Amino acid sequence: DAGVIQSPRHEVTEMGQEVTLRCKPISGHDYLFWYRQTMMRGLELLIYFNNNVPIDDSGMPEDRFSAKMPNASFSTLKIQPSEPRDSAVYFCASTLDRGHSPLHFGNGTRLTVT
Amino acid sequence: GQSLEQPSEVTAVEGAIVQINCTYQTSGFYGLSWYQQHDGGAPTFLSYNALDGLEETGRFSSFLSRSDSYGYLLLQELQMKDSASYFCAVGAGTALIFGKGTTLSVSS
Repeated sequence: DAGVIQSPRHEVTEMGQEVTLRCKPISGHDYLFWYRQTMMRGLELLIYFNNNVPIDDSGMPEDRFSAKMPNASFSTLKIQPSEPRDSAVYFCASTLDRGHSPLHFGNGTRLTVT
Repeated sequence: GQSLEQPSEVTAVEGAIVQINCTYQTSGFYGLSWYQQHDGGAPTFLSYNALDGLEETGRFSSFLSRSDSYGYLLLQELQMKDSASYFCAVGAGTALIFGKGTTLSVSS
């Protein structure tokens, strides 16, 4: 398997613009997670899905953030409008179950909002 | 709420042994995991403890004491390539929650 695939790897945008991050989980994995990583706050869980259904979005910072999983092989994280404080590395991860199975992370999207 | 505490930095020399501690506060705990992340890379899974005791995987071992809400990662025979950030993470209730990470610097 190719692993978790994220796109784009880097995104530079201006404040106020819409940003869409994409993720393809590992085939057969029932759980998909979106994390954000910054130096100050570390790895923060934003939202996770089970069988394409959002289970917990309590980590989504504001209404400007939204996530969807229209099918088992694709998820998006959208920020509209973007702000400089959204600059971070956004990781998508998938796993078979949320118990002892390890999380498999994508390579991340480095977002810079100017 | 949930919280994890681990040291922010550790330094060591090649061939040495290093222990990275992690204490946690959480509800609905179901396991302690460790992940490694090299600069610019993605976190990768190292180990998982659901029960008390020691789990060994090659040069790395991980320990858990659920009664003390404490665990550690032990790295033996350190190599330069072990220089990275190490995160403890608890499975609790909803999903994996990560600590802030420990940056390990290995020098020759």
